[in-house]
Amino acid sequence: AQTVTQSQPEMSVQEAETVTLSCTYDTSESNYYLFWYKQPPSRQMILVIRQEAYKQQNATENRFSVNFQKAAKSFSLKISDSQLGDTAMYFCAFMKTSGSRLTFGEGTQLTVNP
Amino acid sequence: GAVVSQHPSRVICKSGTSVKIECRSLDFQATTMFWYRQFPKQSLMLMATSNEGSKATYEQGVEKDKFLINHASLTLSTLTVTSAHPEDSSFYICSASTGGHNEQYFGPGTRLTVT
Repeated sequence: AQTVTQSQPEMSVQEAETVTLSCTYDTSESNYYLFWYKQPPSRQMILVIRQEAYKQQNATENRFSVNFQKAAKSFSLKISDSQLGDTAMYFCAFMKTSGSRLTFGEGTQLTVNP
Repeated sequence: GAVVSQHPSRVICKSGTSVKIECRSLDFQATTMFWYRQFPKQSLMLMATSNEGSKATYEQGVEKDKFLINHASLTLSTLTVTSAHPEDSSFYICSASTGGHNEQYFGPGTRLTVT
């Protein structure tokens, strides 16, 4: 079974600064998908970024980028130029194959301070 | 596109009664829908996976007779909490996927309070 671990329950960052959220996972699969989701106080799950394991290039979406280290089974999220609206719970998630279940990490509560 | 709705957004029911939560994919056909439960400040825990026209697959420890899931069409899945008790109070979230695609689209969630 796959497991996802987020070792930082809470983090804080000053507005406009950069923060990195950590995620490690365990799997015996060679191809899979990794995601970062954001859950603001509204509790709506929002996809931030995704990475396909067979792609070596790290995914980027505007201010969000990942550092995907397949051999180390690490998938960290970097948020640049942090904004107050980035305050949310962030979940790292693993998907074995397209259309299959998501396995979530425990989450990291990020607070962006003015 | 890819919008998922849930109804109701909040529900309060008395202990011993049943409550139904609907999950609809508004602009796509969802071959698979997933039901999650989330306690405050915790992660999402998968309860069951449902495929249109077939019985749901429940995760270990989830009582299938208590949490009835029906996926009767490609746009609608329902979760019925039967004989609800206060410990069933939680936030329930559904998601939908089109199969063959690696993204799940999440509903806004339903807050259930059992008094």
